[in-house]
Amino acid sequence: QLQLQESGPGLVKPSETLSLTCTVSGGSISTSGYYWDWIRQPPGKGLEWIGSIYYGRGTYYNPSLKSRESISVDTSKKQFSLKLSSVTAADTAVYYCAGARVGNYYKDVWGKGTTVTVSS
Amino acid sequence: QSALTQPRSVSGSPGQSVTISCTGTSSDVGGYNYVSWYQQHPGKAPKLMIYDVTKRPSGVPDRFSGSKSGNTASLTISGLQAEDEADYYCCSYAGSYTWVFGGGTKVTVL
Repeated sequence: QLQLQESGPGLVKPSETLSLTCTVSGGSISTSGYYWDWIRQPPGKGLEWIGSIYYGRGTYYNPSLKSRESISVDTSKKQFSLKLSSVTAADTAVYYCAGARVGNYYKDVWGKGTTVTVSS
Repeated sequence: QSALTQPRSVSGSPGQSVTISCTGTSSDVGGYNYVSWYQQHPGKAPKLMIYDVTKRPSGVPDRFSGSKSGNTASLTISGLQAEDEADYYCCSYAGSYTWVFGGGTKVTVL
């Protein structure tokens, strides 16, 4: 059974780049047939889909984030990563990684989430 | 890409039914039968409750049901129980491998 675990710094300074990693266990990150997603939740607010990657096929992003985000996969480490540039306080949130099996249009596996605060 | 519209809160007594609406557009909710619903308890990750508008994953009680009409999807909880008190989020496929979530609805069991 697939399990996901987010990791990364809990504090990032304004204008810098936020970098998070999601480690996949219990299955292959490259051949499992999954889209790997990043989703965030600002304090007291709703969920926001950031983007997803399908290894070897492509990446897909939320147009509302204005191209600040980048998602990649490192198969040797069984990880996928999120980079979000030029962060502001509005990027403070709990960041979740999630997975959706190819052919399914829902997220059926989630990490526990990691809190990132943007502050000087 | 705008967030789907959900009521901020709904409430009901134990045993009653509550329905949460999720309104989008013809580019998301109305355009695809790919609406999912997630339950989130405080400090926890979301949990899938309904997918493909009406389907329940294994282990989800049958008191949870989903439907859709036009650009609005709905989640109904029948026979409300104390453990159902949580936030609920709808999510719709929006084409080109993109997704959009609703703003969330807090369900309170009175």
